[in-house]
Amino acid sequence: EDKVVQSPLSLVVHEGDTVTLNCSYEVTNFRSLLWYKQEKKAPTFLFMLTSSGIEKKSGRLSSILDKKELFSILNITATQTGDSAIYLCAVGATSGTYKYIFGTGTRLKVLA
Amino acid sequence: SAVISQKPSRDICQRGTSLTIQCQVDSQVTMMFWYRQQPGQSLTLIATANQGSEATYESGFVIDKFPISRPNLTFSTLTVSNMSPEDSSIYLCSHRGGGLDTQYFGPGTRLTVL
Repeated sequence: EDKVVQSPLSLVVHEGDTVTLNCSYEVTNFRSLLWYKQEKKAPTFLFMLTSSGIEKKSGRLSSILDKKELFSILNITATQTGDSAIYLCAVGATSGTYKYIFGTGTRLKVLA
Repeated sequence: SAVISQKPSRDICQRGTSLTIQCQVDSQVTMMFWYRQQPGQSLTLIATANQGSEATYESGFVIDKFPISRPNLTFSTLTVSNMSPEDSSIYLCSHRGGGLDTQYFGPGTRLTVL
């Protein structure tokens, strides 16, 4: 059965800290891995990763994929209170039909 | 990516009633998707809605409970029928961006069933 596991489930840090969020997966016919930030209802797209070892970067956020070890990490440096959110990892796979399997997310809280 | 709007943004409903959620995209998209996110849980795909054909439902979801319409390439509806408190969730519609590998979500509908 396809599955996506995120860790830690929750995390509390102080402003300025650096955090690393983890996403491991076991899916049939991997296509891509997506990271989202969910603050209220709608997940906001952050990154799409398809190739191992190539870092995607956007400001203080960066992410990388390891297709051999079947995991991805999302790094946030110099955290701010506005980074407080749930971070979701989704893996696109073609087991029958092409669909995304979501992890349960990491709830990040950044304290001032 | 196409911009998605959803309505209602939230609703509180009585057990046994039905609610129809509307999803509007500002440009034509081939595939639209409906997800559910129960409290404290991750997103679960309900069904894929393609224009001109029946929706494809995921395991555990049936058309009688979650009928979907897709009358054109910019609009879809999801109805949550005969609601129970277990249907209290956030319901999200989405579409895939160019290249089909990126998925974008609407603002979501927060449903509470009493």
